[in-house]
Amino acid sequence: KAGVTQTPRYLIKTRGQQVTLSCSPISGHRSVSWYQQTPGQGLQFLFEYFSETQRNKGNFPGRFSGRQFSNSRSEMNVSTLELGDSALYLCASSLKGSLYNEQFFGPGTRLTVL
Amino acid sequence: DAKTTQPTSMDCAEGRAANLPCNHSTISGNEYVYWYRQIHSQGPQYIIHGLKNNETNEMASLIITEDRKSSTLILPHATLRDTAVYYCIVSSLSGGYQKVTFGTGTKLQVIP
Repeated sequence: KAGVTQTPRYLIKTRGQQVTLSCSPISGHRSVSWYQQTPGQGLQFLFEYFSETQRNKGNFPGRFSGRQFSNSRSEMNVSTLELGDSALYLCASSLKGSLYNEQFFGPGTRLTVL
Repeated sequence: DAKTTQPTSMDCAEGRAANLPCNHSTISGNEYVYWYRQIHSQGPQYIIHGLKNNETNEMASLIITEDRKSSTLILPHATLRDTAVYYCIVSSLSGGYQKVTFGTGTKLQVIP
């Protein structure tokens, strides 16, 4: 069974731009969660989608948004990029949901904002 | 928010048991304790989770105290490949939303 895939793996943007990251979950998984990892803040939960609906969200500004498609693939969008958005963005999929089930993580997308 | 506290780093001799502690004193009754690990430059990997009872799988054992305010992850025979950052996680409810919060983790160094 193929694992979680994320594209692109690396991305460089400038302040004020917007970016879209993509995540394809493991086949059959309906839950996709997004995390931001930085050296200073560690791993922080962004949001979770289940069956195309945002089910949980973390404490991030509205510039961070996401969506999930009918095939469970998910995209995350960050608008008006700031230097502090430079991070590794991880996507995780699980069968039923992030809170009470094992999550499988992708390799991440490394975003650098200049 | 429910928070976890872990030692910043630990060393363990290869072949010995690695015992990684975690404090989660504000955990509520229906919150699970999860453990993940992250090997450098890879995504986190699930290890084990539990609610009240001790749990064991092929990777590790999880010991949760009776009051659920702390837990210990046990890697019975640590190998060099177990060198990683280990995260103890509980879910929390904040502002009407549930979220999974990773702490800063424990960097485990397995020494030959």
